[in-house]
Amino acid sequence: SQKIEQNSEALNIQEGKTATLTCNYTNYSPAYLQWYRQDPGRGPVFLLLIRENEKEKRKERLKVTFDTTLKQSLFHITASQPADSATYLCALTAGDDYKLSFGAGTTVTVRA
Amino acid sequence: SQTIHQWPATLVQPVGSPLSLECTVEGTSNPNLYWYRQAAGRGLQLLFYSVGIGQISSEVPQNLSASRPQDRQFILSSKKLLLSDSGFYLCAWSRADTQYFGPGTRLTVL
Repeated sequence: SQKIEQNSEALNIQEGKTATLTCNYTNYSPAYLQWYRQDPGRGPVFLLLIRENEKEKRKERLKVTFDTTLKQSLFHITASQPADSATYLCALTAGDDYKLSFGAGTTVTVRA
Repeated sequence: SQTIHQWPATLVQPVGSPLSLECTVEGTSNPNLYWYRQAAGRGLQLLFYSVGIGQISSEVPQNLSASRPQDRQFILSSKKLLLSDSGFYLCAWSRADTQYFGPGTRLTVL
């Protein structure tokens, strides 16, 4: 069956450090992979999209890698700040109908 | 710019009562529309999606139904709520690969 797994339910890091989140998937052949941020009680907000032919994508302090051989994406938050505290979701699509399948998310807490 | 609205923001309903949640999108035409449910501490479960007026695809057999009476309006309904229908309901729209989510409705069924 298809599965999306995100590493450990929670990640606690010191301000200024780099947070690294993992998204592994099985039985998908995604055309692209996306990362979203979700704050408590709010809807997810799109952060980054990386396509199957891209190795890396950056946006400000965020970096995403995509390894289709390992079936894995890494999401990095560099120079983390307390405002980065949130749950981060990875999402995959495999078809043309733009349906997304989401992982359960990793909650990041950045300590000042 | 595009905006997406959902209401109500919170809802407490007794078991067996009906449900109607509404979602509207502004600033775009012919969007794909989606309903998700998120249980506490869980990921997003896609319930329904629609690529046009009157076109609804159900992802998971359940006690809920969806309708799209207008291009930018998406409604989630139930005739009789179950305890298991409690959760955080999110509507989203897309024109291509990225989805944009509404603020959500917190539904508690007692």
